[in-house]
Amino acid sequence: DVKVTQSSRYLVKRTGEKVFLECVQDMDHENMFWYRQDPGLGLRLIYFSYDVKMKEKGDIPEGYSVSREKKERFSLILESASTNQTSMYLCASSLGRKNTEAFFGQGTRLTVV
Amino acid sequence: AQKVTQAQTEISVVEKEDVTLDCVYETRDTTYYLFWYKQPPSGELVFLIRRNSFDEQNEISGRYSWNFQKSTSSFNFTITASQVVDSAVYFCAPSPFNDYKLSFGAGTTVTVRA
Repeated sequence: DVKVTQSSRYLVKRTGEKVFLECVQDMDHENMFWYRQDPGLGLRLIYFSYDVKMKEKGDIPEGYSVSREKKERFSLILESASTNQTSMYLCASSLGRKNTEAFFGQGTRLTVV
Repeated sequence: AQKVTQAQTEISVVEKEDVTLDCVYETRDTTYYLFWYKQPPSGELVFLIRRNSFDEQNEISGRYSWNFQKSTSSFNFTITASQVVDSAVYFCAPSPFNDYKLSFGAGTTVTVRA
């Protein structure tokens, strides 16, 4: 089974802190994604990576950056956390083929106070 | 611009009733894929099915069935004889042809009561 693991299930951070969300997948997938999920809005793509050190902005990249130094690990970085970044963050991975299904982690619920 | 709409916010049924979920994908593209995901209370999204826009044949897999109406870009997903374990949020997620990315609708919350 594909396993996508996010390092934390729940996080509470203070406004202005630099926050790292980590994601690891064990199926040698080329593609990795970060989404945020908010009620009534579904999932929105923040960033996407199709290879090591490669990244592409999604629909809502402002206030976020990402890092992919190794194929299995994709990190989401909040440079200076703000209260409007309180949300559920979901990591996903997929094979390098186009139009293929993505597999999701269990999510990290981040609260910024 | 492309837009995915799941007009139903919540559906509540009694066990063994059928549940049909609607999804409309507005796009100028004629070729695309559409995925359905389920998110149970535990939170992890589970992949259910992938369909493409150039195959209008309806399909059935166990208690799940789906049909696509090309004229209205409408994908309907039906759970037959619903069970309490089907209670979850269901998302449709279109993907443009030859793309890696998925967009997601707002989701439909299905509650199945015993």
